[in-house]
Amino acid sequence: DAGITQSPRHKVTETGTPVTLRCHQTENHRYMYWYRQDPGHGLRLIHYSYGVKDTDKGEVSDGYSVSRSKTEDFLLTLESATSSQTSVYFCAISEDRGGEQYFGPGTRLTVT
Amino acid sequence: GNSVTQMEGPVTLSEEAFLTINCTYTATGYPSLFWYVQYPGEGLQLLLKATKADDKGSNKGFEATYRKETTSFHLEKGSVQVSDSAVYFCAFNLKAAGNKLTFGGGTRVLVKP
Repeated sequence: DAGITQSPRHKVTETGTPVTLRCHQTENHRYMYWYRQDPGHGLRLIHYSYGVKDTDKGEVSDGYSVSRSKTEDFLLTLESATSSQTSVYFCAISEDRGGEQYFGPGTRLTVT
Repeated sequence: GNSVTQMEGPVTLSEEAFLTINCTYTATGYPSLFWYVQYPGEGLQLLLKATKADDKGSNKGFEATYRKETTSFHLEKGSVQVSDSAVYFCAFNLKAAGNKLTFGGGTRVLVKP
């Protein structure tokens, strides 16, 4: 299994609070991704990174920001959590463009 | 726009039955195609892939062939087991689109003994 960890694995937070999710990899892969998984929608890309300090938006980026200061860490921040951001969040990594992506175990976030 | 369509579940089968999950895609360009599997409470695992037309991906008894003419990548298994109960996702990526995966909605498969 690819060395990908996510923390925390579960979190319950209140509307309006900031939340940061962490993805850590030990594979030295260049590309990292954040997805959210919701019933009926499959997985949708939030943000991705193609190198340290290089990030770009995905299809559902509103309300989220990311940072990548080191190759191994990719942080997803909800500046002010809303109930619509209740979801399961998955991080993924990829070695190169066009290659397969490997997924972390996920973080279940509940915003009350 | 780019999209993946796969059959909605749940698909309920008996053990040793034949499984087919249909997947078609709409993409600008020549994507690589993937099937991922998600077991209960876990993340997604790559099941198989195909990178060019007529390629056949296979793994754990599952197969799928990249059909460019019909823009399809149907997943098949000849004899399913209870342990194959999971959600299956069809996906593709395009190098021109930054290697971003586009997923279908997932198909839940339940295999009964």
